[in-house]
Amino acid sequence: DTAVSQTPKYLVTQMGNDKSIKCEQNLGHDTMYWYKQDSKKFLKIMFSYNNKELIINETVPNRFSPKSPDKAHLNLHINSLELGDSAVYFCASSPPGWETQYFGPGTRLLVL
Amino acid sequence: AQSVTQLDSHVSVSEGTPVLLRCNYSSSYSPSLFWYVQHPNKGLQLLLKYTSAATLVKGINGFEAEFKKSETSFHLTKPSAHMSDAAEYFCVVSMLVDSSYKLIFGSGTRLLVRP
Repeated sequence: DTAVSQTPKYLVTQMGNDKSIKCEQNLGHDTMYWYKQDSKKFLKIMFSYNNKELIINETVPNRFSPKSPDKAHLNLHINSLELGDSAVYFCASSPPGWETQYFGPGTRLLVL
Repeated sequence: AQSVTQLDSHVSVSEGTPVLLRCNYSSSYSPSLFWYVQHPNKGLQLLLKYTSAATLVKGINGFEAEFKKSETSFHLTKPSAHMSDAAEYFCVVSMLVDSSYKLIFGSGTRLLVRP
């Protein structure tokens, strides 16, 4: 059974488009995260949600809007895509008060 | 503020020889430290974590790491490399922000294993 899943796995799109990436976890965790991995493999947190409430927002452009319909889902919507948005986006989750995070397989976004 | 520095961007070893991946940390308090591994085009997998219990931490696939406060280091080792160990390895420190933790990643070390 997949613990943290993301869809789609690959996303190729044109500049200016709007796209969404979905994340679901079946671990019963309260906290979910989005991380971005750039072309140099550097990973940085973007957002965290705790039980549907935004906790961390790391100065991400407001073109990026996370949405958490319930505590098992944290989707990432990106408006007006730019070339620099090309990256791998990882979703993760953790139990409340735990530091260990469990990552999804990643979504590889390529903006042309 | 918490941070980690991975001292080598690439490490190359022969199969069957020991692996050493170096990591130094900076923290204003006793940190929680992790090693994650990322195989090519795959997600991130937790190898091991240190959370102020035993200073020598054993992880999966024969890896272990030792927390040395005097040296502010958390180096990852394995006695004998296997071809399947070839991957990107990330040293990570966690930081508490309100009610959740954020992970701060090092820049990564690519491990190459020669036959």
